[in-house]
This record gives sequence, C-alpha cells and structure tokens, in this order.
Amino acid sequence: EIVLTQFPATLSLSPGERAILSCRASQTVSTFLAWYQQKPGQAPRLLIYDASKRATGIPARFSGSGSETDFTLTISSLEPEDFAVYYCQQRSNWPPLTFGGGTKVEI
Amino acid sequence: QVQLQESGPGLVKPSGTLSLTCAVSGGSISDTNWWNWVRQPPGKGLEWIGEMYHVGSTNYNPSLKSRVIISVDKDKNQFSMRLSSVTAADTAVYYCARREFGSVGMDVWGKGTTVTVSS
Repeated sequence: EIVLTQFPATLSLSPGERAILSCRASQTVSTFLAWYQQKPGQAPRLLIYDASKRATGIPARFSGSGSETDFTLTISSLEPEDFAVYYCQQRSNWPPLTFGGGTKVEI
Repeated sequence: QVQLQESGPGLVKPSGTLSLTCAVSGGSISDTNWWNWVRQPPGKGLEWIGEMYHVGSTNYNPSLKSRVIISVDKDKNQFSMRLSSVTAADTAVYYCARREFGSVGMDVWGKGTTVTVSS
C-alpha cells in the first residue's frame, strides 16, 4: 500500500498570502495524484488531477506540481473561502486508492 | 450534470450489516466510470472503501475486503454497498463518488450520509 504523508498538518496564514502544501508518497506514483478541498460539513471537492491539471471550474490561483514521490499544491493568494482541509490521493498502485492525512489551512 | 445521492439507515447495531445506496441522476450507471465509496470517521481523514465498474469489476480496500460488497443495479441506475460485522469503528460519514475510467480523481461526490454503529 502506498502511504501519502502530508505536511504541515496545519498551516496558519492570512488572506492574500501564498499557501504551499506538500504531499510525499512512500513510493513513486508517477503523476497519478489528485488534490481535494474539504470544508466542514461538505463533501470533498476535486481541485487537481494528474498532479498538475485543474479540475473543471477550479480557479487559477490553485496549482499543482510534482512527480514520482513529491508533490505540492500552491494557492497563490488565499481567499477567505480557501480556508479548509486539503487532501492528496493517489491512483498509481491500487487497490487501494489512498489518501493523505490532510493539511488544514486556517486563518 | 451527474449528481449522486446516498441513502440508508443512520443507525446500525454492532455486529450488524450496514447497507447504503447511491442514486445516480443526470447520467447512466453504465457510463465508463468507476463508482466509489469513501468514508470519514468523525474528526478524521478520508478512507477509500472500494469501487465498481458497471460491467462488474470491483476493487476493494484490503483492510475491508472481507466485509464489504459493492454492487450495481442498472435498472434503478444506482449502486450499493454492504459492510458486514460492523463495530463502533465503522461509525463515519459515508460518501459515494464517481471516478471516470482512467482518471486519477473522483470528480463527482454525494453529500454524504452519517452512519452510527451503536446498540
């Protein structure tokens, strides 16, 4: 099973600042990696797939990069609605699909 | 636009079977998609349960494989999950989600349904 480790666990920032979230895989996943945003009481929302491609309707301030074992989700300038928990997920070697433990972006 | 809606009992007794259904609207269960179940215990992260392709192929999380069955009902345009021998550790919000064939991520999610395992 591929383990995804996200860091930091919590990121404390202000609106307008840049957020950089990391996800590290225990073995290579090529670019078979996705990022999700989850707000309290809501289902996850797909942001990025194939490591760097924005899903439909996702603002350009969200960008993904990386390959193999190290990945980054960058939010260029935080909007108030971006404060949430973010998860990475791999589909390289499945089953199982696995998720990281999440990074909470808080004000 | 495809939409998903979970339904099922909100309370299940320990050692019982948890049964949930996900209704698909705005699209066909026979489209080239993997139909997934994901759960989230209170205050914790996401755990993938398993998925089914409409022609019958399934993938399960090895940690749950002995207890879970996912099935598709083409006539009703829905898919279902059964999890047997439940314990309090199975208390969670359960989501159904779509993953397009060949894609990495799940792009359509239901709103989730809370299931509590308690006597």
